[in-house]
Amino acid sequence: DTAVSQTPKYLVTQMGNDKSIKCEQNLGHDTMYWYKQDSKKFLKIMFSYNNKELIINETVPNRFSPKSPDKAHLNLHINSLELGDSAVYFCASSQDDRRKAFFGQGTRLTVV
Amino acid sequence: SQQGEEDPQALSIQEGENATMNCSYKTSINNLQWYRQNSGRGLVHLILIRSNEREKHSGRLRVTLDTSKKSSSLLITASRAADTASYFCATDNYGQNFVFGPGTRLSVLP
Repeated sequence: DTAVSQTPKYLVTQMGNDKSIKCEQNLGHDTMYWYKQDSKKFLKIMFSYNNKELIINETVPNRFSPKSPDKAHLNLHINSLELGDSAVYFCASSQDDRRKAFFGQGTRLTVV
Repeated sequence: SQQGEEDPQALSIQEGENATMNCSYKTSINNLQWYRQNSGRGLVHLILIRSNEREKHSGRLRVTLDTSKKSSSLLITASRAADTASYFCATDNYGQNFVFGPGTRLSVLP
């Protein structure tokens, strides 16, 4: 069974659209994350969330919003997509002690 | 901002040689971790070293940590073509999230 799964794997959409990326973890972890990896492979934390708090990277535009229907899911909603949003988005999870993060396979978002 | 930075950015070696990658960071950390990313895949955790540890081994991997210099190194011995990947260090600094460096792209040539 895949520990952290994201869907879709590829997403091509037009500017201005609203889209969602889903993430599920079956590890029973307390904390989930969203990272953005740009074309230079740099990983940037966007959000971390557990049942206590949501931590938002202040540089992330408010067009991006995480939604957690339950502890095992953290979906990423993006409104009014822009060309610069094109990147690979990774979901990850870890126990609250943050000793080890498990990553999903990534979602390659292309905005045209 | 506190951030790991790997050095070199890219490294090419022959199969069987050792590969050494370095990571520097800016602030105090709780632990430092190394991850591997194969092309088009997610990151895979390799090894964690705590701030009070100086060296750790796992198979062909050896990680060192020098908190006085705020640096860490990852050594892969007897490299294989399958080791070709990007390697990232990530720092965990007391309540903040994993912060990744830009990574080192390792190419192991057969």
